[in-house]
Amino acid sequence: DQQVKQNSPSLSVQEGRISILNCDYTNSMFDYFLWYKKYPAEGPTFLISISSIKDKNEDGRFTVFLNKSAKHLSLHIVPSQPGDSAVYFCAASATGTYKYIFGTGTRLKVLA
Amino acid sequence: GAGVSQSPSNKVTEKGKDVELRCDPISGHTALYWYRQRLGQGLEFLIYFQGNSAPDKSGLPSDRFSAERTGESVSTLTIQRTQQEDSAVYLCASSLGTSFQDIQYFGAGTRLSVL
Repeated sequence: DQQVKQNSPSLSVQEGRISILNCDYTNSMFDYFLWYKKYPAEGPTFLISISSIKDKNEDGRFTVFLNKSAKHLSLHIVPSQPGDSAVYFCAASATGTYKYIFGTGTRLKVLA
Repeated sequence: GAGVSQSPSNKVTEKGKDVELRCDPISGHTALYWYRQRLGQGLEFLIYFQGNSAPDKSGLPSDRFSAERTGESVSTLTIQRTQQEDSAVYLCASSLGTSFQDIQYFGAGTRLSVL
């Protein structure tokens, strides 16, 4: 049972435009969410996180939105740059547990 | 070290052989995790160590998989009698371990190929 789902395996966006990556989850116990970025042959690197007490968190060009009622979160990248081309994973965890549950990833390609 | 270090970066083995993968966490991080990423899939939790507490082994897929960690240092993941379905990238992560919201920092992984 996939508790964290990223239904779009890939996304292509023009440089300078907005990239929107989506993630859905099924477990209502999840209360902390993260986005990681992964380049080929490297480990995932932390990008941004959000606690369930918030509905938005912003860090520079990256904003994460959380809709608890819909069990949905999204990552917005504005403006998108070619260096943002990578695989993006969303992850979720619940209070009292330390392991992350990851989605299958979305490959973002930003076209110059 | 500056980051999480894993070795080897690549490992090719024959079906039925045992393999040992190593992880050096970030200095001062008490929590250490192992994940597996099969081709085209997300990261799958395997095992979690926190200080001297009993490890959370709930993600280990079979009794052929085991892991050890001495104190708050190096960890080894051992796969006995490897099977072709064990082929994956094995990722190690560490975190401060003081809160469930502590960020996990990942190594580059070990790509295991079982022929």
